[in-house]
This record gives sequence, C-alpha cells and structure tokens, in this order.
Amino acid sequence: GDSVTQMEGPVTLSEEAFLTINCTYTATGYPSLFWYVQYPGEGLQLLLKATKADDKGSNKGFEATYRKETTSFHLEKGSVQVSDSAVYFCAVFKAAGNKLTFGGGTRVLVKP
Amino acid sequence: NAGVMQNPRHLVRRRGQEARLRCSPMKGHSHVYWYRQLPEEGLKFMVYLQKENIIDESGMPKERFSAEFPKEGPSILRIQQVVRGDSAAYFCASSLDTLDFSPQHFGDGTRLSIL
Repeated sequence: GDSVTQMEGPVTLSEEAFLTINCTYTATGYPSLFWYVQYPGEGLQLLLKATKADDKGSNKGFEATYRKETTSFHLEKGSVQVSDSAVYFCAVFKAAGNKLTFGGGTRVLVKP
Repeated sequence: NAGVMQNPRHLVRRRGQEARLRCSPMKGHSHVYWYRQLPEEGLKFMVYLQKENIIDESGMPKERFSAEFPKEGPSILRIQQVVRGDSAAYFCASSLDTLDFSPQHFGDGTRLSIL
C-alpha cells in the first residue's frame, strides 16, 4: 500500500531561520501530495498541495515541489516565525479509495 | 460558517465502558472520515462513510469498533469495552465531494483517555 516517510522531529529553530522538512512517499500511479499543519489542541489544516509532477504548492511562505523522480515533496520556508511552531504532516492521496495516507508528523519548535 | 464539529473534546472512560464520539460535518458535506492519532504519532485512517453507508472500514479494528453516519444527525464512532490502548485523539474530517475534487476539513478532535 501507499506510505509516507517524514524526517523525525522535533526540529528546533531560531526565528528567521530556514526550515526544511523532508518527505518521501511510496505510491503507484500519480498521487496528489499534501502538507497539513496541526497547531496545539487543534485539528489538521491544509497548508498546501500539488497534484502533478513538478507542481509547486505554496501558502503562507511555505513551499513544496512535487518531485516524481525522487518521490519527494519536501516542505520549505525561508524565514520562520514563532507562530510556525506546530506539527507538520505530509500526505498522499489517490482517487481510488478516496483517502489520505499520512506520514508520522514532524514537530517544529521556533524559538524567539 | 461552522466547520467540522466534534464532541466531546475530552472523554474519560474506565476500562470496559463504552465510548461514543460524535462528528457533525460541515454544512452540505456528505463524506465523513475518521482517523486515530496515538501519542506522538501520525494519523491513521479508520473509516470512510457517506450518508447511511460505510464505504471503507479497512483501518478500523474488527472488534469493539463501529461507525455510522445516519440520514439525520451526526456521525458516531462507537468503541465498546474500551481498553487502555484505545487512549488516543480521534479526528473526524468531512468533504463536499470525493477528495480529488474537494478538500478535506478536520475537526479539533476528541481526546479519549482510558483509566
């Protein structure tokens, strides 16, 4: 079946530092790829997505590019803020089955 | 414009009791998904329902767990004879259409603690 592997956290950064969270996936066919963010005590919120190879998803300063050749969808942000402290989840979706498969999540802590 | 509403937010049960978790999807959404998140882990898919139908329950344990999404009212995830290992956060999500056409919106979860 499909699977998603994320780098383990926690990732601790200073404000304005560069953030990268690695995500690789295993899936047949042409899945869509997502990043979700979970703030403390809340549910998941869609951060960005990409539906085909070489697509770049972006939102709130975060970016991720769908790399089919390396089966990766790494999340990046050039200058993080304390408010970016959260858990980030990478996920894959295939239309057959209509469900998301999530990675284990990466906790990010940004210190002032 | 209410989002996905889950209640209760926190639920405490003793071993052997029943736990009932409720989820009201966003207005107009007919697709509901339940996920379980164990401490410090990712979300694991449990079950996917449309109105009155279970479409995919491949992630739900065969025993003690059941889910429904009746024609009227919220979706219910029921856990009978709870055990310590059932302690987790349970998240519900809904979508207007299948996920290739519409995004999935999550509730804030129910945190179940088993004493």
